[in-house]
Amino acid sequence: GAGVSQSPSNKVTEKGKDVELRCDPISGHTALYWYRQSLGQGLEFLIYFQGNSAPDKSGLPSDRFSAERTGGSVSTLTIQRTQQEDSAVYLCASSLRENYGYTFGSGTRLTVV
Amino acid sequence: KNEVEQSPQNLTAQEGEFITINCSYSVGISALHWLQQHPGGGIVSLFMLSSGKKKHGRLIATINIQEKHSSLHITASHPRDSAVYICAVRRSGSGGGADGLTFGKGTHLIIQP
Repeated sequence: GAGVSQSPSNKVTEKGKDVELRCDPISGHTALYWYRQSLGQGLEFLIYFQGNSAPDKSGLPSDRFSAERTGGSVSTLTIQRTQQEDSAVYLCASSLRENYGYTFGSGTRLTVV
Repeated sequence: KNEVEQSPQNLTAQEGEFITINCSYSVGISALHWLQQHPGGGIVSLFMLSSGKKKHGRLIATINIQEKHSSLHITASHPRDSAVYICAVRRSGSGGGADGLTFGKGTHLIIQP
């Protein structure tokens, strides 16, 4: 597609449930990033995929968070046993390759109740 | 101390004024990004810089690598420029989170008619 597509746009889930967030990057973009923006906080890096290389997972806040990127395209971010502090907007971005300009998706607003 | 500091945090100006937003960083970088986020909206990448100056329409971004400082200027400001402007850096090297961006806390700009 023309832009980075994320789904769902909004997700409300009960504490303790697992959630999956999806990112469909721009076709041909080899670099894909997940970030999150908590209420009143700045953006923080979560994970980075570049081509077939092992992902940089150093930003994931706990082992409840995981992400995969299948076929070098679509990525899913999974949060297990969600907690209220996981409530945030989760943003995906892609770029043609590393150190190129980014295109951000519109984000998934996750609310854990 | 944050690795990326922006100033001012908040800025209110009248339509037509020349706007400057500053960004200082304390780490070695391979690139610096200026991003724009409208209320409730997604993030738009404005510029990616590694040296010198870039211009797009009424927006100008400069970077001084030696001084570890960048500025974003808006000429002939307009109410539609009202948004949060975020400076972000990609640290030199790779891994350990360096592949992702490190963000400033943003500058909340309001342009009054």
